[in-house]
Amino acid sequence: RKEVEQDPGPFNVPEGATVAFNCTYSNSASQSFFWYRQDCRKEPKLLMSVYSSGNEDGRFTAQLNRASQYISLLIRDSKLSDSATYLCVVNMSGTGFQKLVFGTGTRLLVSP
Amino acid sequence: EAGVTQSPTHLIKTRGQQATLRCSPISGHTSVYWYQQALGLGLQFLLWYDEGEERNRGNFPPRFSGRQFPNYSSELNVNALELEDSALYLCATRPEELAGIRETQYFGPGTRLLVL
Repeated sequence: RKEVEQDPGPFNVPEGATVAFNCTYSNSASQSFFWYRQDCRKEPKLLMSVYSSGNEDGRFTAQLNRASQYISLLIRDSKLSDSATYLCVVNMSGTGFQKLVFGTGTRLLVSP
Repeated sequence: EAGVTQSPTHLIKTRGQQATLRCSPISGHTSVYWYQQALGLGLQFLLWYDEGEERNRGNFPPRFSGRQFPNYSSELNVNALELEDSALYLCATRPEELAGIRETQYFGPGTRLLVL
C-alpha cells in the first residue's frame, strides 16, 4: 500500500462548481498534513496546512479524519485559475527528520 | 524576501555524463531537501542536508550525492547519468529554529534535467 494515495483524476468541472478531493495515508502516527498546488511544469506551492479541527481559507476547506486516515480538500465556486494538480502531503517525521511524503496528485480542470 | 532559487533552469546531458544542480535557500532557512519528480510520478525524496551534513537520503543509488555549504546553499551531483534520470529536480528549504510538526517546506522553481 502506498504511504499517501490520491485519485489522479482528472476532475473536469465547470466554473462555479464545487469539487472535493480525498487523500488517504497509511501511517496512523502522522502528525501534520498539507495541500500543495502544482501548476504545469512549475514547483509545488503550499496551499493549506490541515489542522486537526479542519480549516478554511476563502473558497478552500481542508478537513482531517484521523480515524479513517484521510484528508480532504473542498473547493467552492471553482475558477478557471484553479486548474492545477493538487498534491496531498503527509508529514511522517521521525526523530529530528522531517519526512514529507507526497501523493502523486489529483489533476483539476475547470472549464468555462 | 527572495524565495528559494535553483540553477540552471534547464540542463541537457548525455548518458554517462555528470550533472551538477544548485540551490540557494530562503534567508534563515538552514535545512535543504532535494526531490526528484519524474514525468507522471510523484515527488521522490532524494537527500536532506542540515548544518552542512547529509542527514538522510531516500532510496536512490550512491551516484546521487551532494553537499551543503557554510552559507546553507546546496549542490546535487548526479554521476554516470542514465536516461531515467530525466526529471524535474526540486530543492526545498525550511527554517530550523521554528521547525515543528506544522512547519512545512518551500520549493524552488526546479531544474529540468534531460538525459539523451
